[in-house]
Amino acid sequence: ELKVEQNPLFLSMQEGKNYTIYCNYSTTSDRLYWYRQDPGKSLESLFVLLSNGAVKQEGRLMASLDTKARLSTLHITAAVHDLSATYFCAVDGGVGADGLTFGKGTHLIIQP
Amino acid sequence: DVKVTQSSRYLVKRTGEKVFLECVQDMDHENMFWYRQDPGLGLRLIYFSYDVKMKEKGDIPEGYSVSREKKERFSLILESASTNQTSMYLCASNYGTGITDTQYFGPGTRLTVL
Repeated sequence: ELKVEQNPLFLSMQEGKNYTIYCNYSTTSDRLYWYRQDPGKSLESLFVLLSNGAVKQEGRLMASLDTKARLSTLHITAAVHDLSATYFCAVDGGVGADGLTFGKGTHLIIQP
Repeated sequence: DVKVTQSSRYLVKRTGEKVFLECVQDMDHENMFWYRQDPGLGLRLIYFSYDVKMKEKGDIPEGYSVSREKKERFSLILESASTNQTSMYLCASNYGTGITDTQYFGPGTRLTVL
């Protein structure tokens, strides 16, 4: 059974700081997704990582995938308040899997 | 832009009632999904469908059923609602030969069962 663990689950940080959210998963996978959810809103796709070593960047967010370590990171550079949200990673379980398995989410608060 | 809509944002029902949650997507997506989201548990897959009239159980199908009579519409049915089904319900869809291409989510339905 595929397990996806994110940490931290809760993070409060100040504007201007850098931080990393980690996503570990338990079985081999070549596809990993990052989503953002604002309070009371639905999930918005941020990144799709499709191979080992993949790196994607959008503004102050950068995601990477290491399939050998079964680890993805979401790095936040010089955080701003607008990035406050809950971030989810989701992993493709591969052939025969029933869609994506989501982590529990990282609730990020960025304070001025 | 992909648009996934859900019939209600908020719903309050009584224990034992039959509840229908509707989801419609306008991008001709093959696959549609129903999740529930609970604090501390993340998203859990209830059911998914990869074609009209086709359905597959997800991780937590007990107490739920689904219907997909048309490609654009996927309904989640609670045959006899219970208080432990109080939750946020999210519908999603995607396109492609792989079920695990990027999923696009609807706005969610917050269901309260009294």
